[in-house]
Amino acid sequence: GQQVMQIPQYQHVQEGEDFTTYCNSSTTLSNIQWYKQRPGGHPVFLIQLVKSGEVKKQKRLTFQFGEAKKNSSLHITATQTTDVGTYFCAGWRGSARQLTFGSGTQLTVLP
Amino acid sequence: EAQVTQNPRYLITVTGKKLTVTCSQNMNHEYMSWYRQDPGLGLRQIYYSMNVEVTDKGDVPEGYKVSRKEKRNFPLILESPSPNQTSLYFCASSRQGQRQETQYFGPGTRLLVL
Repeated sequence: GQQVMQIPQYQHVQEGEDFTTYCNSSTTLSNIQWYKQRPGGHPVFLIQLVKSGEVKKQKRLTFQFGEAKKNSSLHITATQTTDVGTYFCAGWRGSARQLTFGSGTQLTVLP
Repeated sequence: EAQVTQNPRYLITVTGKKLTVTCSQNMNHEYMSWYRQDPGLGLRQIYYSMNVEVTDKGDVPEGYKVSRKEKRNFPLILESPSPNQTSLYFCASSRQGQRQETQYFGPGTRLLVL
């Protein structure tokens, strides 16, 4: 079945440093979504990418969808302590109604 | 306020004692699903429902049951819980189950099975 791999599993950065998490699927995705889960909280939708090669920005966050629609990345510029949490990518399977999540990247920002 | 609610939020039980975790949404969403979250494994889908009386297995359905008798409710049933079902459970809902739709998650239920 479809697998969505995400790396790294953990990342510690100093406040002000940049951060990137990568997501790779074993199959082509129709779209990819990104979620953020704060410690003790629930996943919250950040953004969705649909088109091949698409790039979207939300303030300091930049999201990319690969040309082959099998990989994606989330880059945070100049991290802040409010960026702490676990970031998940998720892709819908081809014709199925199931959303497959990556294993997540847990970001710690040191002040 | 649009939301997904789950109850209970925390539960400690013993092996074999049947339990139900309730999930309710007030957004008139057609699609609802249950996930479990375990360290290093991300969120894995247990069951999902496209609409009333329509349910289907996700990736890890063993040991779980669901029902969808009303649009707003999607309870998760553990008939005979075992320790390997100790986990953090999330209910989620979205419109229509189409691929473009955002999932709205409940606050989570932390379950410990002794």
